[in-house]
Amino acid sequence: QVQLVQSGAEVKKPGASVKVSCEASGYTFTSHYIHWVRQAPGQGLEWMGKINPGGGSTSYAQKFQGRVTMTRDTSTSTVYMELSTLRSEDTAVFFCVKDRWLTGYDLHVFDQWGQGTLVTVSS
Amino acid sequence: DIVMTQSPDSLAVSLGERATINCKSSQSVLYSANNKNYLAWYQQKPGQPPKLLIYWASTRESGVPERFSGSGSETDFTLSISSLQAEDVAVYYCQQYYSPLPLTFGGGTKVEI
Repeated sequence: QVQLVQSGAEVKKPGASVKVSCEASGYTFTSHYIHWVRQAPGQGLEWMGKINPGGGSTSYAQKFQGRVTMTRDTSTSTVYMELSTLRSEDTAVFFCVKDRWLTGYDLHVFDQWGQGTLVTVSS
Repeated sequence: DIVMTQSPDSLAVSLGERATINCKSSQSVLYSANNKNYLAWYQQKPGQPPKLLIYWASTRESGVPERFSGSGSETDFTLSISSLQAEDVAVYYCQQYYSPLPLTFGGGTKVEI
């Protein structure tokens, strides 16, 4: 079955960077976009950006431009999200999510979610 | 950016009764070329990631119970739960995918018994 398995919780100091991984299985890794969605404690969902695992192209929300980098390793079917210059407001659960449709359709509805990775930013 | 506004923020519904959640977009998410509304609904139970319920505003994802239904067009949408069950206690989010940069979600509606 389709699975997205994320790396474990992290605690970081302000100004540091964090890199979260998301290993995909159960489907053709290069055929579906992977997105990252952030959820601050007790808050709603915020889209951060996406990566095409096939070619590696990315698109980021303007809010995160310059601070976020999404990469992939096709040999391990893993996507990475690195967020730099962390501040306390970045404390959140980060989810990787898979598009329901193939990349060629450029339609973004999320049919599979990772379990989430809690990143805590605290001095 | 397309702003998604949900109402109410929370609602309490008796078991077996109907729950109705509203979602309004700041601009139309109806694509005229295919007459489809680019609107999805998700359910998030406590401590879990969200789960896709509905896309194209009214198409249920495989395995989603028939008591969940979506309706609406252009800027005004509704998620209905026809007969609330205990396992439906969750926060529900709408999401537009008409404009992919950025994709945006509503603020969420908490459904309680």
